[in-house]
Amino acid sequence: DAGVIQSPRHEVTEMGQEVTLRCKPISGHDYLFWYRQTMMRGLELLIYFNNNVPIDDSGMPEDRFSAKMPNASFSTLKIQPSEPRDSAVYFCASSPRGQVPYEQYFGPGTRLTVT
Amino acid sequence: RKEVEQDPGPFNVPEGATVAFNCTYSNSASQSFFWYRQDCRKEPKLLMSVYSSGNEDGRFTAQLNRASQYISLLIRDSKLSDSATYLCVVNIDYNTGKLIFGQGTTLQVKP
Repeated sequence: DAGVIQSPRHEVTEMGQEVTLRCKPISGHDYLFWYRQTMMRGLELLIYFNNNVPIDDSGMPEDRFSAKMPNASFSTLKIQPSEPRDSAVYFCASSPRGQVPYEQYFGPGTRLTVT
Repeated sequence: RKEVEQDPGPFNVPEGATVAFNCTYSNSASQSFFWYRQDCRKEPKLLMSVYSSGNEDGRFTAQLNRASQYISLLIRDSKLSDSATYLCVVNIDYNTGKLIFGQGTTLQVKP
């Protein structure tokens, strides 16, 4: 079975440009999570969806960040305009609804560098 | 204060050693507890859940002390392949599965 798929795997862009990160969760999973990981701050939850509906976006750092989930098999995280401090690894994870404990399955991540 | 705190290490140990990692969490309402493993430049993956009674999976033993809000992971007979970062993870909302990750503890097992 395919795991969580993310694209692109690497992105290098200039400050001020728009960046779009993509995620395809595991089929049948109800929850989708976007995380950002840096050396300084570790793994931070940005936003998560349940059945395509955003539930908690309190981790989104500012209005430059937006996320959508138009259907059960696709989500995007957009940064506009990008800044050097956005450089990080962005992970998407999905999780089935079921008995606790929930296991989150992570994609390989997108390594973003903003110059 | 961070919601989940871990000693970042690194822990450098020889093969065959026993090593223990500790973690504390701040929210007494936390529901579920896990250890995830993250290899260098890879994604985190679930290593094991942590139950109140303690649980074991091969060379790995996890313990939970709710009164002290403390979680531990013990690795016996360390292998080179155990070298990784170990993330302490807490679920504070039973209904959503939302997880809070610690910064991680890095383990380096030397031959």
